Amino acid sequence: DAKTTQPTSMDCAEGRAANLPCNHSTISGNEYVYWYRQIHSQGPQYIIHGLKNNETNEMASLIITEDRKSSTLILPHATLRDTAVYYCIVRPYSGNTPLVFGKGTRLSVIA
Amino acid sequence: EPEVTQTPSHQVTQMGQEVILRCVPISNHLYFYWYRQILGQKVEFLVSFYNNEISEKSEIFDDQFSVERPDGSNFTLKIRSTKLEDSAMYFCASQGLLTSYEQYFGPGTRLTVT
Repeated sequence: DAKTTQPTSMDCAEGRAANLPCNHSTISGNEYVYWYRQIHSQGPQYIIHGLKNNETNEMASLIITEDRKSSTLILPHATLRDTAVYYCIVRPYSGNTPLVFGKGTRLSVIA
Repeated sequence: EPEVTQTPSHQVTQMGQEVILRCVPISNHLYFYWYRQILGQKVEFLVSFYNNEISEKSEIFDDQFSVERPDGSNFTLKIRSTKLEDSAMYFCASQGLLTSYEQYFGPGTRLTVT
């Protein structure tokens, strides 16, 4: 079973920042937080990952709390194309451990 | 940008028939995976493959399933005798060795068993 808890759905106005929360209170010291998204029935798309420091790339920012028990994915300027299901996954940073997907958060970006 | 490709995009088969789903992972990747997603449900792990052998498999991956990398580039999933409940999207993913262990997914094959 997934080790994360996410809200079922969220709405965001186009052009505004989308902040997607995730709880992972049982995260272990060797586990990273990964975010993926799935647009309609396409293959999941990697967004970002982090251990304990905040991370930013061209797609998003990841804010991880100091105790590592929760994190927030930030899409700074959401567009209609960001409408998708977003998955927060904790996973050991080693080898070929499979991803364990939960139900994720369905983000709807509204014009 | 390199990407994972999968063929066919849609496969329709009759119950009891064998199907082979094909994937071409990103060329320098070394870890390969199959996942499936039944309509309206979560993405589920099936099997992982490294160094020409199965690394890990889930309870779903029973004797009806097999994987192989026949020619060093393709990665295939075979279902020997399909059942109605095998109808799903099947996603292939690959992962590099020296990158940050993120997995890159293909667009999927929609398998419909009638």
